[in-house]
Amino acid sequence: DTAVSQTPKYLVTQMGNDKSIKCEQNLGHDTMYWYKQDSKKFLKIMFSYNNKELIINETVPNRFSPKSPDKAHLNLHINSLELGDSAVYFCASGPSGGNTGELFFGEGSRLTVL
Amino acid sequence: GQNIDQPTEMTATEGAIVQINCTYQTSGFNGLFWYQQHAGEAPTFLSYNVLDGLEEKGRFSSFLSRSKGYSYLLLKELQMKDSASYLCAVPNQAGTALIFGKGTTLSVSS
Repeated sequence: DTAVSQTPKYLVTQMGNDKSIKCEQNLGHDTMYWYKQDSKKFLKIMFSYNNKELIINETVPNRFSPKSPDKAHLNLHINSLELGDSAVYFCASGPSGGNTGELFFGEGSRLTVL
Repeated sequence: GQNIDQPTEMTATEGAIVQINCTYQTSGFNGLFWYQQHAGEAPTFLSYNVLDGLEEKGRFSSFLSRSKGYSYLLLKELQMKDSASYLCAVPNQAGTALIFGKGTTLSVSS
Protein backbone atom coordinates (compact mmCIF):
# COMPACT_ATOMS: atom_id res chain seq x y z
CA ASP A 1 0.00 0.00 0.00
CA THR A 2 1.67 3.18 -1.21
CA ALA A 3 1.51 5.96 1.38
CA VAL A 4 1.81 8.90 -1.03
CA SER A 5 1.08 8.18 -4.66
CA GLN A 6 1.24 10.56 -7.56
CA THR A 7 0.41 10.15 -11.23
CA PRO A 8 1.65 10.25 -13.85
CA LYS A 9 5.26 9.32 -13.14
CA TYR A 10 6.43 10.74 -16.47
CA LEU A 11 5.05 13.55 -18.60
CA VAL A 12 6.46 14.69 -21.92
CA THR A 13 4.65 17.55 -23.58
CA GLN A 14 5.02 20.54 -25.84
CA MET A 15 5.39 24.16 -24.79
CA GLY A 16 2.07 25.89 -24.39
CA ASN A 17 0.15 22.78 -23.37
CA ASP A 18 -1.74 22.32 -20.09
CA LYS A 19 -1.08 19.32 -17.84
CA SER A 20 -2.14 17.99 -14.45
CA ILE A 21 -0.47 15.85 -11.82
CA LYS A 22 -2.52 14.06 -9.18
CA CYS A 23 -1.52 13.15 -5.65
CA GLU A 24 -3.18 11.06 -2.98
CA GLN A 25 -2.09 10.09 0.53
CA ASN A 26 -3.52 7.38 2.77
CA LEU A 27 -1.63 8.35 5.92
CA GLY A 28 -4.41 10.45 7.42
CA HIS A 29 -2.20 13.55 7.38
CA ASP A 30 -3.71 17.01 7.47
CA THR A 31 -1.08 18.74 5.36
CA MET A 32 0.03 18.16 1.80
CA TYR A 33 2.72 19.85 -0.26
CA TRP A 34 4.07 20.28 -3.75
CA TYR A 35 7.83 20.59 -4.17
CA LYS A 36 9.77 21.21 -7.37
CA GLN A 37 13.20 19.65 -7.87
CA ASP A 38 15.21 21.20 -10.68
CA SER A 39 18.10 19.76 -12.68
CA LYS A 40 20.52 20.80 -9.92
CA LYS A 41 18.54 18.67 -7.45
CA PHE A 42 17.39 21.67 -5.41
CA LEU A 43 14.09 20.76 -3.71
CA LYS A 44 11.96 23.89 -3.44
CA ILE A 45 8.56 24.30 -1.74
CA MET A 46 5.78 25.47 -4.05
CA PHE A 47 2.51 25.01 -2.19
CA SER A 48 1.20 23.73 1.10
CA TYR A 49 -2.39 22.84 1.94
CA ASN A 50 -3.78 22.10 5.39
CA ASN A 51 -7.19 20.46 5.48
CA LYS A 52 -7.96 21.66 1.95
CA GLU A 53 -6.91 25.25 2.67
CA LEU A 54 -3.96 26.92 0.96
CA ILE A 55 -1.26 27.77 3.49
CA ILE A 56 1.78 28.50 1.36
CA ASN A 57 2.18 29.83 -2.16
CA GLU A 58 5.87 30.44 -2.65
CA THR A 59 6.03 33.00 -5.47
CA VAL A 60 4.96 30.43 -8.00
CA PRO A 61 3.63 31.78 -11.34
CA ASN A 62 -0.16 31.77 -11.48
CA ARG A 63 0.06 29.28 -14.35
CA PHE A 64 0.37 26.76 -11.52
CA SER A 65 -2.91 26.09 -9.77
CA PRO A 66 -3.16 23.55 -6.97
CA LYS A 67 -6.50 22.05 -6.00
CA SER A 68 -7.34 20.06 -2.91
CA PRO A 69 -10.79 18.40 -3.12
CA ASP A 70 -10.26 16.80 0.30
CA LYS A 71 -7.39 16.46 2.73
CA ALA A 72 -6.21 13.20 1.13
CA HIS A 73 -5.78 14.70 -2.33
CA LEU A 74 -3.75 17.55 -3.75
CA ASN A 75 -3.58 18.01 -7.50
CA LEU A 76 -1.41 20.37 -9.51
CA HIS A 77 -2.54 21.89 -12.78
CA ILE A 78 -0.09 23.76 -14.97
CA ASN A 79 -1.24 26.02 -17.82
CA SER A 80 0.77 27.22 -20.80
CA LEU A 81 3.79 25.08 -20.04
CA GLU A 82 7.24 26.63 -20.53
CA LEU A 83 10.65 25.04 -21.00
CA GLY A 84 11.66 26.13 -17.49
CA ASP A 85 8.85 24.07 -16.00
CA SER A 86 10.82 20.91 -16.81
CA ALA A 87 11.60 19.37 -13.43
CA VAL A 88 10.57 16.60 -11.08
CA TYR A 89 7.51 17.52 -9.03
CA PHE A 90 7.18 15.81 -5.66
CA CYS A 91 4.03 15.61 -3.62
CA ALA A 92 4.45 15.12 0.12
CA SER A 93 2.29 14.85 3.20
CA GLY A 94 2.85 15.39 6.90
CA PRO A 95 1.10 16.11 10.15
CA SER A 96 -0.13 19.66 10.72
CA GLY A 97 2.68 22.16 10.46
CA GLY A 98 6.27 21.23 9.70
CA ASN A 99 7.67 21.63 13.16
CA THR A 100 7.97 18.13 14.44
CA GLY A 101 6.68 15.86 11.76
CA GLU A 102 8.61 14.16 9.02
CA LEU A 103 7.35 14.49 5.49
CA PHE A 104 6.47 11.50 3.35
CA PHE A 105 7.16 11.98 -0.34
CA GLY A 106 5.57 10.48 -3.41
CA GLU A 107 7.79 8.97 -6.09
CA GLY A 108 7.84 12.15 -8.14
CA SER A 109 6.48 13.15 -11.52
CA ARG A 110 9.13 13.95 -14.10
CA LEU A 111 7.86 16.67 -16.44
CA THR A 112 9.71 17.34 -19.67
CA VAL A 113 8.60 20.31 -21.75
CA LEU A 114 9.84 20.29 -25.36
CA GLY B 1 14.01 33.51 6.46
CA GLN B 2 16.00 30.33 6.32
CA ASN B 3 19.48 29.87 4.92
CA ILE B 4 20.97 26.38 4.73
CA ASP B 5 24.46 25.55 3.56
CA GLN B 6 25.98 22.15 2.89
CA PRO B 7 28.79 20.91 0.62
CA THR B 8 27.76 20.07 -2.92
CA GLU B 9 29.68 16.83 -3.33
CA MET B 10 31.70 14.36 -1.28
CA THR B 11 33.47 11.13 -2.13
CA ALA B 12 34.47 8.24 0.10
CA THR B 13 35.40 4.58 -0.07
CA GLU B 14 33.55 1.51 1.15
CA GLY B 15 34.01 0.83 4.83
CA ALA B 16 35.05 4.39 5.61
CA ILE B 17 33.35 7.02 7.76
CA VAL B 18 32.06 10.25 6.28
CA GLN B 19 30.69 13.39 7.92
CA ILE B 20 28.32 15.67 6.01
CA ASN B 21 28.04 19.12 7.52
CA CYS B 22 25.13 21.52 7.45
CA THR B 23 25.02 25.07 8.73
CA TYR B 24 21.76 26.95 8.99
CA GLN B 25 20.36 30.33 9.84
CA THR B 26 16.73 30.46 10.80
CA SER B 27 14.32 32.80 12.58
CA GLY B 28 13.15 30.56 15.40
CA PHE B 29 14.36 26.99 15.57
CA ASN B 30 12.06 23.98 15.47
CA GLY B 31 14.38 21.12 14.74
CA LEU B 32 16.54 19.92 11.90
CA PHE B 33 15.90 17.02 9.55
CA TRP B 34 18.14 14.88 7.37
CA TYR B 35 16.78 13.12 4.32
CA GLN B 36 18.37 10.66 1.91
CA GLN B 37 17.55 10.69 -1.79
CA HIS B 38 18.81 8.06 -4.21
CA ALA B 39 18.98 9.04 -7.87
CA GLY B 40 15.56 8.93 -9.47
CA GLU B 41 13.78 8.28 -6.19
CA ALA B 42 11.88 10.19 -3.52
CA PRO B 43 13.59 11.72 -0.48
CA THR B 44 13.23 9.52 2.60
CA PHE B 45 13.51 10.57 6.23
CA LEU B 46 16.72 9.73 8.07
CA SER B 47 16.77 11.71 11.29
CA TYR B 48 15.39 14.58 13.32
CA ASN B 49 17.25 16.60 15.96
CA VAL B 50 15.67 19.23 18.15
CA LEU B 51 18.00 19.10 21.16
CA ASP B 52 21.78 19.47 21.15
CA GLY B 53 23.80 16.32 20.92
CA LEU B 54 24.20 13.15 18.96
CA GLU B 55 21.35 10.88 17.90
CA GLU B 56 22.51 7.44 16.80
CA LYS B 57 20.54 5.16 14.55
CA GLY B 58 22.50 2.15 13.37
CA ARG B 59 25.26 3.18 10.96
CA PHE B 60 23.88 6.72 10.76
CA SER B 61 24.15 9.38 13.44
CA SER B 62 23.11 13.02 13.42
CA PHE B 63 24.51 15.80 15.59
CA LEU B 64 23.09 19.20 16.41
CA SER B 65 24.51 22.34 18.00
CA ARG B 66 21.81 24.99 18.20
CA SER B 67 24.15 27.69 19.49
CA LYS B 68 26.40 27.22 16.45
CA GLY B 69 23.62 26.69 13.92
CA TYR B 70 25.37 23.49 12.92
CA SER B 71 24.51 19.89 12.29
CA TYR B 72 26.26 16.93 10.77
CA LEU B 73 25.27 13.52 9.50
CA LEU B 74 27.79 10.79 10.23
CA LEU B 75 27.77 7.65 8.12
CA LYS B 76 29.87 4.72 9.31
CA GLU B 77 30.95 1.52 7.55
CA LEU B 78 30.04 3.00 4.22
CA GLN B 79 28.42 0.78 1.65
CA MET B 80 27.97 1.31 -2.08
CA LYS B 81 24.23 1.69 -1.52
CA ASP B 82 24.93 4.81 0.58
CA SER B 83 25.73 6.68 -2.65
CA ALA B 84 22.93 9.24 -2.68
CA SER B 85 22.11 12.88 -2.01
CA TYR B 86 21.76 13.91 1.62
CA LEU B 87 19.46 16.83 2.30
CA CYS B 88 19.48 18.99 5.39
CA ALA B 89 16.14 20.71 6.15
CA VAL B 90 14.58 23.01 8.72
CA PRO B 91 10.97 24.15 9.17
CA ASN B 92 10.15 27.63 7.94
CA GLN B 93 9.39 30.34 10.47
CA ALA B 94 5.66 29.63 10.48
CA GLY B 95 6.23 25.91 10.86
CA THR B 96 4.20 25.24 7.74
CA ALA B 97 6.80 23.61 5.49
CA LEU B 98 10.28 22.14 5.43
CA ILE B 99 12.94 24.21 3.71
CA PHE B 100 15.70 22.10 2.19
CA GLY B 101 19.35 22.79 1.57
CA LYS B 102 20.73 22.09 -1.88
CA GLY B 103 21.89 18.65 -0.83
CA THR B 104 25.23 16.88 -0.69
CA THR B 105 25.83 14.20 -3.31
CA LEU B 106 27.88 11.39 -1.77
CA SER B 107 29.69 8.94 -4.03
CA VAL B 108 30.98 5.75 -2.43
CA SER B 109 33.55 3.78 -4.38
CA SER B 110 35.06 0.34 -3.83
